[in-house]
Amino acid sequence: GAVVSQHPSWVICKSGTSVKIECRSLDFQATTMFWYRQFPKQSLMLMATSNEGSKATYEQGVEKDKFLINHASLTLSTLTVTSAHPEDSSFYICSAKPGQTLPGAYSPLHFGNGTRLTVT
Amino acid sequence: GQQLNQSPQSMFIQEGEDVSMNCTSSSIFNTWLWYKQDPGEGPVLLIALYKAGELTSNGRLTAQFGITRKDSFLNISASIPSDVGIYFCAGQLRTGNQFYFGTGTSLTVIP
Repeated sequence: GAVVSQHPSWVICKSGTSVKIECRSLDFQATTMFWYRQFPKQSLMLMATSNEGSKATYEQGVEKDKFLINHASLTLSTLTVTSAHPEDSSFYICSAKPGQTLPGAYSPLHFGNGTRLTVT
Repeated sequence: GQQLNQSPQSMFIQEGEDVSMNCTSSSIFNTWLWYKQDPGEGPVLLIALYKAGELTSNGRLTAQFGITRKDSFLNISASIPSDVGIYFCAGQLRTGNQFYFGTGTSLTVIP
């Protein structure tokens, strides 16, 4: 259980174009999803928290107009990299946290397999 | 974002040896998670910790939630070649919903 699907797994685009990445929770509902970015041999850096039905919360230094996040349903969040540039090339990973249904119950983060973005 | 310091940065060990790594922060966390990441893939959850002092095992892996709530430890016993990868800790602040990642520990197991 707790499967997160991310699509596409890799994408190559030209500088100036926009790219959309989808993150779906397949067997659970996720009121909150998180988007991370990872450069080679580095850790995962949190970009933003995606909240179903409301605006995303962005980490300091992340441009919200460049990285558009939409969390339209309890199972889908999308990240759109607008006007992509070569420096946006990176590994983007989404994660989802199952909603807590029982008092005192906790749930961990489950990750998708990531999207390798290359901007030429 | 939060700074989670993970050590050691890398380890080279012989197959069969035990491994220990830790994660520390200046902030208090209410959840600690440990993940393993293989190249080109997303992190896979190994162990989740939700209570200070909690000690949890998953096969050969054992992790502990530090009493101060500012650190966590992961031990791997009797390492095998497939343990190779990068291990990350992740913590959720007591105040807030976000999870922040440690700097990672790269593990190499020599057969």
